[in-house]
Amino acid sequence: KQEVTQIPAALSVPEGENLVLNCSFTDSAIYNLQWFRQDPGKGLTSLLLIQSSQREQTSGRLNASLDKSSGRSTLYIAASQPGDSATYLCALKVGAYSGAGSYQLTFGKGTKLSVIP
Amino acid sequence: NAGVTQTPKFQVLKTGQSMTLQCAQDMNHNSMYWYRQDPGMGLRLIYYSASEGTTDKGEVPNGYNVSRLNKREFSLRLESAAPSQTSVYFCASSDSEYLALRHTQYFGPGTRLTVL
Repeated sequence: KQEVTQIPAALSVPEGENLVLNCSFTDSAIYNLQWFRQDPGKGLTSLLLIQSSQREQTSGRLNASLDKSSGRSTLYIAASQPGDSATYLCALKVGAYSGAGSYQLTFGKGTKLSVIP
Repeated sequence: NAGVTQTPKFQVLKTGQSMTLQCAQDMNHNSMYWYRQDPGMGLRLIYYSASEGTTDKGEVPNGYNVSRLNKREFSLRLESAAPSQTSVYFCASSDSEYLALRHTQYFGPGTRLTVL
């Protein structure tokens, strides 16, 4: 069974600092990997999606990388802002398309980020 | 365009009571999902519906039933609520099955359920 681990569980940084969030997984046979953001009391918002054939994706100050061979993904946030404070979750789609209902995600438990002004 | 909506936002039940959580999406998505989120456990899939007229069990289906009422709506029912079902419930939707492999899921704001 795929296991997804996010370390650390919580992180506090001063505003303006660059930071890296980590996600590791046990089964390298993934189809894609996504990073989500969750604000307190809210649902999840997709930030970046990396297909298994890709190495990284960028959106604004965010850059996500994927290394399937080592079972790792990182989310890099440049010049952090207080508005970046949220919980960040990574999620994997395991395996290949195999018919009806095959799109299921396995989630990590998240890293709670606090950016201090 | 409201995306994915869920009702109610909050609910308190007594053990043994029943209730239905409602979810609707206006993005013309084929696939819909129900997750629960618990502290220290992350999000876990309860049930999903790959397309209208089909439903399948996820990782933690016991104690729940679902109905895909039409393409827009996917409901989750607790027939006899238990304290272990205290959780935050999220509904999500995504494109057709094949497209969903390349695209993300869109999540609703969640229902916070407490079972006493």
